[in-house]
Amino acid sequence: ETGVTQTPRHLVMGMTNKKSLKCEQHLGHNAMYWYKQSAKKPLELMFVYSLEERVENNSVPSRFSPECPNSSHLFLHLHTLQPEDSALYLCASSQEASNHQPQHFGDGTRLSIL
Amino acid sequence: AQTVTQSQPEMSVQEAETVTLSCTYDTSESDYYLFWYKQPPSRQMILVIRQEAYKQQNATENRFSVNFQKAAKSFSLKISDSQLGDAAMYFCAYSSLAGGSEKLVFGKGTKLTVNP
Repeated sequence: ETGVTQTPRHLVMGMTNKKSLKCEQHLGHNAMYWYKQSAKKPLELMFVYSLEERVENNSVPSRFSPECPNSSHLFLHLHTLQPEDSALYLCASSQEASNHQPQHFGDGTRLSIL
Repeated sequence: AQTVTQSQPEMSVQEAETVTLSCTYDTSESDYYLFWYKQPPSRQMILVIRQEAYKQQNATENRFSVNFQKAAKSFSLKISDSQLGDAAMYFCAYSSLAGGSEKLVFGKGTKLTVNP
């Protein structure tokens, strides 16, 4: 049982659609993260939030828009995505956004762009 | 920039045997953290073990242990008495202490198969 819950588990969308990925953590952590996992590529960090403030944005295209309304919830809003955006999107959280804190991951959302 | 290399895309081991997964990294920093994460078919990424670079003693967590060779920038994971539930993708990750921001750099992963 994971303390980090992601919904939906699977999402298929067209390039003109707008959808959102949701992440919720029940661990009382202050930091949350979005990662992209593509086949045969290392996990890529997309965004880092600490106490609802974005502290890292790894040159992610603007068609990905994160939102962190509180320390327990993290969203990734998607619009006009491209086929190469098809991937597994993983959310993670840690006690603080510091380097020695282990990150706890959700199950991910498998995103397919048609 | 730091990089993490896992040279074995796939490995297999017989149940109850021991297997070692390789990881090398490149960095100019002297202080950092290294991690091994496990991702089973269920997809949930789970922390297996963590090593602080300033500690000479190799980290151990039950059947999992690391061989940390700082000079060689090597961080291998040894799984003893392998079990069927150990079958998963294993990712080696590096975390810098510099810059003030949290950033894990991952390798491409090694797929471990455990044969009964």
